Amino acid sequence: EAGVAQSPRYKIIEKRQSVAFWCNPISGHATLYWYQQILGQGPKLLIQFQNNGVVDDSQLPKDRFSAERLKGVDSTLKIQPAKLEDSAVYLCASSPPKNPLASETQYFGPGTRLLVL
Amino acid sequence: AQSVTQPDIHITVSEGASLELRCNYSYGATPYLFWYVQSPGQGLQLLLKYFSGDTLVQGIKGFEAEFKRSQSSFNLRKPSVHWSDAAEYFCVIGTSGTYKYIFGTGTRLKVLA
Repeated sequence: EAGVAQSPRYKIIEKRQSVAFWCNPISGHATLYWYQQILGQGPKLLIQFQNNGVVDDSQLPKDRFSAERLKGVDSTLKIQPAKLEDSAVYLCASSPPKNPLASETQYFGPGTRLLVL
Repeated sequence: AQSVTQPDIHITVSEGASLELRCNYSYGATPYLFWYVQSPGQGLQLLLKYFSGDTLVQGIKGFEAEFKRSQSSFNLRKPSVHWSDAAEYFCVIGTSGTYKYIFGTGTRLKVLA
């Protein structure tokens, strides 16, 4: 079974530029998550999709970050304009269709390392 | 409040020595517990998980964890550490209903040859 795919793996941009990240979840996984992981910290959830609908985007800086999940499969995360503090690893994860009585295991991609100069 | 505490930010052990990484949680319902490992430059890999049943859980790479409800703990153990185990380890609660993860702050493991 193929894992969660992300691209690019690395990106260097200057502040005020825009950047986009792509994620392809595991086939059949209904839920997709984007996390931001700043160096030395644990991942922080930015946005959670259930199929192509947003479940939680409470921690997404909506003035500069946007995300979409067309057709309930692939997803893109965009930053425009980027700031220095956006330098981080952006992780995508997916999980299977929901068991309403339990949690579900999340499977993570390799991440995209962003450096904003 | 829901939280996960990993008291040790850094741990250093010698290769071949035993390892225990501590994890304590605060959660009002039945916890779904995970341990993930993150090697440098890599994503998060699932080591093991506890949903219910036997409180001693076996995982990959020779790791195990024990769920102790009375102590609100889910400590990770390995009897003999290998140099390749050097990485950062995250204890995680999975929330039922909202299907979110609550991450601990992580423990960075260094292995001495």
